[in-house]
Amino acid sequence: KQEVTQIPAALSVPEGENLVLNCSFTDSAIYNLQWFRQDPGKGLTSLLLIQSSQREQTSGRLNASLDKSSGRSTLYIAASQPGDSATYLCAVSGSARQLTFGSGTQLTVLP
Amino acid sequence: EAGVAQSPRYKIIEKRQSVAFWCNPISGHATLYWYQQILGQGPKLLIQFQNNGVVDDSQLPKDRFSAERLKGVDSTLKIQPAKLEDSAVYLCASSNRDRVDSPLHFGNGTRLTVT
Repeated sequence: KQEVTQIPAALSVPEGENLVLNCSFTDSAIYNLQWFRQDPGKGLTSLLLIQSSQREQTSGRLNASLDKSSGRSTLYIAASQPGDSATYLCAVSGSARQLTFGSGTQLTVLP
Repeated sequence: EAGVAQSPRYKIIEKRQSVAFWCNPISGHATLYWYQQILGQGPKLLIQFQNNGVVDDSQLPKDRFSAERLKGVDSTLKIQPAKLEDSAVYLCASSNRDRVDSPLHFGNGTRLTVT
């Protein structure tokens, strides 16, 4: 059974800092990995999707990497802003496209 | 494109009552999912549909939960009777399974409180 762990559970940083969120998974037989953002009272917004054959994906100030063999992914956020404050969720997909989620990292960027 | 629509946004019921949630996925998305998200946790898959057929409902508590997807479009999720531990946000998501790079698109969810 796939298990996804995210560390840390919460993170608070001053504006402008670069930061890294970590995600690990137990079964390396994945189809893809997605990073989501969740704002309070809202649904999930997909940020980046990395196929199992890829090593990384970039979108603006976000960069996600995937090391399937070690069961790890990182989300790098450059030059953080208060608007980045949210919960970030990592999820891995098996062949049936079902996602198994981690519990998330709650990020607070202080002005 | 219009996003995934869910209703209602909030629902408060007493235990042992019944409740139903509705989801309209993105047009053309054949795959539809219902997730349960308990406060402080990541979403947990309840059921996955491909068109109007069930792909996986292994984590759906079938003694009290049921779901259907009529004509391969809209879906409803029902709880009867509700328990206190069912208090959670119920998220609907859809995807275009035919595209390998297609992410899941989520609705804003229905927040259920069982008292």
